[in-house]
Parts: sequence; C-alpha cells; structure tokens
Amino acid sequence: AQTVTQSQPEMSVQEAETVTLSCTYDTSENNYYLFWYKQPPSRQMILVIRQEAYKQQNATENRFSVNFQKAAKSFSLKISDSQLGDTAMYFCAFQGAPYFGNEKLTFGTGTRLTIIP
Amino acid sequence: EAGVVQSPRYKIIEKKQPVAFWCNPISGHNTLYWYLQNLGQGPELLIRYENEEAVDDSQLPKDRFSAERLKGVDSTLKIQPAELGDSAVYLCASSIQGGIQYFGAGTRLSVL
Repeated sequence: AQTVTQSQPEMSVQEAETVTLSCTYDTSENNYYLFWYKQPPSRQMILVIRQEAYKQQNATENRFSVNFQKAAKSFSLKISDSQLGDTAMYFCAFQGAPYFGNEKLTFGTGTRLTIIP
Repeated sequence: EAGVVQSPRYKIIEKKQPVAFWCNPISGHNTLYWYLQNLGQGPELLIRYENEEAVDDSQLPKDRFSAERLKGVDSTLKIQPAELGDSAVYLCASSIQGGIQYFGAGTRLSVL
C-alpha cells in the first residue's frame, strides 16, 4: 500500500516571500501521479499542480512549482511571491497508474499554510 | 461549466438517525468518488463508481453505509444509523476515467 507523509503540520510566511512544503511517499510502483491540492476554509479541494512520475521535468503552474525527486520519493511544492489567498491547508496526494484500476488518491495529513500580511 | 455539486453543505443529526448526502458530478465524468475526511486528516476513499458500477468499495463500512449511483450520474451516500464517530466531512469527486479528480465543497456532518 502507498503512504504519503507530510512532516510540517503548520507553516507561516510573510506575504511576497517564498515557501516550500515537503512531501515524501512510499510506493513500489514505477508509473504514478503526484498532486498538490489546496483546501481553503470553504472545504473545496482545489488542484494546484500535478506531476507524472515518468516525466523528469518538474511541473510548474505560474507561482507554483514542484521539486520531484523520484529516487528519493520526495515531492515538494514551492510557492513563489506568496499571496494572502494562498492561505489554506495543502495536501500532497498519490495516485497509482489508472490502467491498473488503482485510481484512488492517497492523501497526506496536510500542511496548514498561513500567509502573513 | 458547473463543478461538482454536493448537498447539503451542513447536516446536524442525533445519533442513531439516518442521513443522506447527494452528489452531482461534472457533466461527462463517468467516474465518481466518495471520500471521508476526518478532522485534521486527509481524505480517504470510501467508494468509487465507474458509471453505475461500484468498482472499489473495500473501505465502505457496509453495516451502516450504503451508496448508489442510478443511471451513472448523480450519487447518494447514506448512513443508517449514524454514530458519533461519523462526524466528519464527506467529499465527492468526479473524473473522466484515469483523469484528474475534481472535488465538490463537501458536506460537514455533525452527529450529536
């Protein structure tokens, strides 16, 4: 079974600064997907970024980028020029290759990020 | 395009009462998921549907939980009878098979 570990329960950073959230995972699979989801107080899980394990290039989405280290099973999220709207819980999630029928997301316990004005 | 719609947003019931949650997925999404999110935790899968078929319900407590997805579109998750430990957020998500999962805003259940 896959496991996802987020070792930072809470983080805070000044507005406009850069922050990095950590995530490690354990799997015996070679092909899989990794995600960062954001959950604001409204409770809706919002996709931030997705990484495909067979792609060596790190995914980026505007101010959000990842550092994917497949051998180390590490998947960190960097938020640049942080904004007040980035305040939320951030969840790292693992998904096995869908053609094996293992489509469920396995989530970590989350990191509560607060952006300070 | 409308996202995943869930109702109600909040539900407060007394223990031993029944409760039901409803989910309308994104149009065209054949895969539907119900997740349970306990306080301070990440969501955990309860059940996954491919069209009308429940293809993964291994984590669904079948003694008190049931789900259905008639006609392969909307889905209902039911708890009967509810217990104090069922207080949590129930999230619904949908996807095209093998695609990105999009979530609704969830239902927060409080069992008194």
